Parts: sequence; structure tokens; C-alpha cells
Amino acid sequence: SQTIHQWPATLVQPVGSPLSLECTVEGTSNPNLYWYRQAAGRGLQLLFYSVGIGQISSEVPQNLSASRPQDRQFILSSKKLLLSDSGFYLCAWKRPDRESNQPQHFGDGTRLSIL
Amino acid sequence: ILNVEQSPQSLHVQEGDSTNFTCSFPSSNFYALHWYRWETAKSPEALFVMTLNGDEKKKGRISATLNTKEGYSYLYIKGSQPEDSATYLCAPLMDSNYQLIWGAGTKLIIKP
Repeated sequence: SQTIHQWPATLVQPVGSPLSLECTVEGTSNPNLYWYRQAAGRGLQLLFYSVGIGQISSEVPQNLSASRPQDRQFILSSKKLLLSDSGFYLCAWKRPDRESNQPQHFGDGTRLSIL
Repeated sequence: ILNVEQSPQSLHVQEGDSTNFTCSFPSSNFYALHWYRWETAKSPEALFVMTLNGDEKKKGRISATLNTKEGYSYLYIKGSQPEDSATYLCAPLMDSNYQLIWGAGTKLIIKP
């Protein structure tokens, strides 16, 4: 069976510090991978998605970036965090695009607080 | 900008009562509709993926219908239980970019 791991669960960072959130998927090959953010009182916002190694699509211009160095590893980064980066970050995976009717499966999320 | 609306925003229901809520989405370029349940302190969990007009899906006491011509889906919960308390998210998949467009959710609170 497939599993998704996301860490850390919570993170408190000062403004201007760097960020690295990691997500890994087990039990599947060539998944579509996603990073979402939920800001306080708002819905899910897609930040990045990837259909393969090194292939990253950005949905929202911002000071965040994503990388996919391995097939089942997805990393969300920032060089300098802003107060507005606070929120709940979720990683998700889905079977490849040719199976578009498959649901997305989510990690447990990272609660990021910027001080 | 594609607009997905879920109503109501929040809902208080007595335990044992049945309830339903709505997801509205653009009917053009429709490909599929996803429903997810998001419980507090957990991650979203997929309920249904629906594609065909008139589609009906059922999972225990929860069911959903889909009208792609007019662009809406209903989610029904029969005999609500405390464990049904969650935010229910809908997300249509449009064939213009094959990415889910998330609604803001309906927050359901079951009163014992």
C-alpha cells in the first residue's frame, strides 16, 4: 500500500530565515506530487505540482520554491520567510496524469508559524 | 478565474438528523468532481470522484450526486453522527489544466 510522509509536523521560524519542508511517498511510482497551503480562515491553495523528476509547475508567484530531486521526494523551500508564509502546508500525491480520475492523498501537514 | 462555491459555509446539525450541502462549479470544460472530508487535526481524505452527469456515489451514510450540465453537486449525510463533524471540500477538475480547483468548504458540526 501507498504511504505519504511529511515533516516536520510543526515549525516555528523567525522572519527572514530559510525553510525546507520534505515530503516522501512510498509504494507507488511516478506519482503526481503537490504542495498546498491553507492560510488562516481560508481554503486550500495550490502552490506547486510536479509530474516528474525535475518538473515543477508554480501556481502562485511568491518567495517559495519547490524541487523534486527523486521520483518520490518533493521539497518546499524558501530562502527568506515572510510573516505571510505562516499557515498549514500539505503535501499530496496522485497516480499519474493518465489516471486523472484518481483522488489525491494527503500527508499529515506542517503547521508553520513565522515570528 | 474559475469559481467554485460551497454552501452553506457552516452548518450545525443535531445528531441523528440528515443534512445536505452544495458545491457549484463552472459547467463548461468539466472533467471530474472530487469530494473530500477534512477532520480537525487530520489531513483531507477523499470521499468520491465523480465524472458523469447524473452520477451517484455512496459510502456508508454519505452519498453524492452530480449535475454537470448545470454545474452542481450535492453531498448528503443520513443520520448524522458526531464523527461526521468535519469540513467537506469539493474540487472540480476542469479539462483546461487538469488541476483541482478547491472550494472553501462546508464546516459541519454535529450536536449531540
